[in-house]
Amino acid sequence: EAGVAQSPRYKIIEKRQSVAFWCNPISGHATLYWYQQILGQGPKLLIQFQNNGVVDDSQLPKDRFSAERLKGVDSTLKIQPAKLEDSAVYLCASSLSGYPEAFFGQGTRLTVV
Amino acid sequence: AQSVTQLGSHVSVSEGALVLLRCNYSSSVPPYLFWYVQYPNQGLQLLLKYTSAATLVKGINGFEAEFKKSETSFHLTKPSAHMSDAAEYFCAVSFFSGTYKYIFGTGTRLKVLA
Repeated sequence: EAGVAQSPRYKIIEKRQSVAFWCNPISGHATLYWYQQILGQGPKLLIQFQNNGVVDDSQLPKDRFSAERLKGVDSTLKIQPAKLEDSAVYLCASSLSGYPEAFFGQGTRLTVV
Repeated sequence: AQSVTQLGSHVSVSEGALVLLRCNYSSSVPPYLFWYVQYPNQGLQLLLKYTSAATLVKGINGFEAEFKKSETSFHLTKPSAHMSDAAEYFCAVSFFSGTYKYIFGTGTRLKVLA
């Protein structure tokens, strides 16, 4: 069974530029999570989808971050404009609806210079 | 509110010594608990999980953890540390609140001394 796929693996951009990350969850997983992991810290939930609806985006900086999950399958996370403090690993995870375990992708490492 | 606390951001042990990484949780509903390991520049790898079956859970690479409800703890142990165990370890709790939420502790960096 294929795991959670994320791309790109690495991205370097200048501050004030925009960037987008893509995530394809495990087939059949209705729940999708995006996490931000700053170096030396634990992953922090940015947004959680159930199918194509948002169930939690309380920690998403909505002035610069946006995310969508059209058709309830793959998802994109966008940052516009990026700041230096956005440098982090962005992790995508998915789970079956009603199931407590999430499965994680390898992440996208973003460096903002 | 649900939360996860990992005591000790850095832990050092000698090779062959006992590894003990502490995790305490706070949850008003039955929790599911997980330990992950993260090597430099790699993703999260699941070590073991507690999902309301046996309270003593065995995982990969010789690690195990015991769920103690009375102490709200889920500490990770390994009888004998190996150099390859040096990594960052994260405790996570999953709990139901409309849907399953998944939150992480701040992590513990394990250093293994030769």
